[in-house]
Amino acid sequence: EDQVTQSPEALRLQEGESSSLNCSYTVSGLRGLFWYRQDPGKGPEFLFTLYSAGEEKEKERLKATLTKKESFLHITAPKPEDSATYLCAVQAWSNNDMRFGAGTRLTVKP
Amino acid sequence: EPEVTQTPSHQVTQMGQEVILRCVPISNHLYFYWYRQILGQKVEFLVSFYNNEISEKSEIFDDQFSVERPDGSNFTLKIRSTKLEDSAMYFCAAGAFFGQGTRLTVV
Repeated sequence: EDQVTQSPEALRLQEGESSSLNCSYTVSGLRGLFWYRQDPGKGPEFLFTLYSAGEEKEKERLKATLTKKESFLHITAPKPEDSATYLCAVQAWSNNDMRFGAGTRLTVKP
Repeated sequence: EPEVTQTPSHQVTQMGQEVILRCVPISNHLYFYWYRQILGQKVEFLVSFYNNEISEKSEIFDDQFSVERPDGSNFTLKIRSTKLEDSAMYFCAAGAFFGQGTRLTVV
């Protein structure tokens, strides 16, 4: 069964303190791994899709990387406005839906 | 312009009543989805829709639920005879892009 585990559950950083969020996955044939940002009471906001091991994508202070077993979301010099829950999801070739992890709740203090 | 627009943003309904949640996705996507998120829990897949037909559905998507695309643009999720445990955020997605959701509260 496809599974997605995110760690840590919560992360508190000082502004400017870089860190990484982890997404470990088990899927029978990865079609794509997705990262989203979700603010309270809002829908998931698309950040990245990664398709194959070794792939990296960047957007502002965020960089996502992918291996055959996990993905990392690296946050460089975060700002308070980066505070949100970050969700990871996988999509397998065998079906069309996305399977989500529970998310990492990031708080960045000024 | 958002990829997906959902209405209403919040719906309160009595237990046992029917609700219809609406979604207007950008039309150049092939797949459309409904997901739900119970407060404090994971986002869960409900159903996918392709070529005006259901392509996949989860165990959650039982006979209480139905989806339609009545006019080629709007996309609806109907929940018949709502239960307290149906209270959640319901998200429509076009491809990888999610709407802002409808918060359904069943009282």
